[in-house]
Amino acid sequence: DSGVTQTPKHLITATGQRVTLRCSPRSGDLSVYWYQQSLDQGLQFLIQYYNGEERAKGNILERFSAQQFPDLHSELNLSSLELGDSALYFCASSVGTTGHTEAFFGQGTRLTVV
Amino acid sequence: GENVEQHPSTLSVQEGDSAVIKCTYSDSASNYFPWYKQELGKRPQLIIDIRSNVGEKKDQRIAVTLNKTAKHFSLHITETQPEDSAVYFCAASKAAGNKLTFGGGTRVLVKP
Repeated sequence: DSGVTQTPKHLITATGQRVTLRCSPRSGDLSVYWYQQSLDQGLQFLIQYYNGEERAKGNILERFSAQQFPDLHSELNLSSLELGDSALYFCASSVGTTGHTEAFFGQGTRLTVV
Repeated sequence: GENVEQHPSTLSVQEGDSAVIKCTYSDSASNYFPWYKQELGKRPQLIIDIRSNVGEKKDQRIAVTLNKTAKHFSLHITETQPEDSAVYFCAASKAAGNKLTFGGGTRVLVKP
């Protein structure tokens, strides 16, 4: 167990809908990253938050948005869903107040758009 | 931005043989290079990392080497076992705590 918790584990929804994925980082970690992994593909960086502020942005679609709350959990919102949005969405956390800087991944949310 | 290339995309080895995966990066400012192992349907797990002030790091059967001048780094797995079968990803970042840019992954199959 990495200490990073993602919910839900699985999500099936229809095209055009909106979903919210949730991530709780490891205790003490200030940084949260979101990655998208399509079938048999690599890990595409979406966005990073550090202590509540957006720190870096990757190839994130305008239909997608994220935020990090004061308790450091993060949510990734995906709207106007398309079939091509079906993927495994990972959250990772790092930069702990204890000094640990490695990034640890949650178990992912598998999103299926039908 | 940073670009990380990883080769080969697939690698099949006999149990007990060595496996080598190579990555190159484009941004000379990158100085943190982790390797992740991902089993089917599971999360990527950090197996080893190296920072730019170190040329080589070893952890049991796994070793990583870094050539900053050439901007490439490699993962070496010795005495491979069937449980080493997985997808391996290299990554680079400008500092631990910054976003990781991943290579495309290498699917390793260890044949008993």
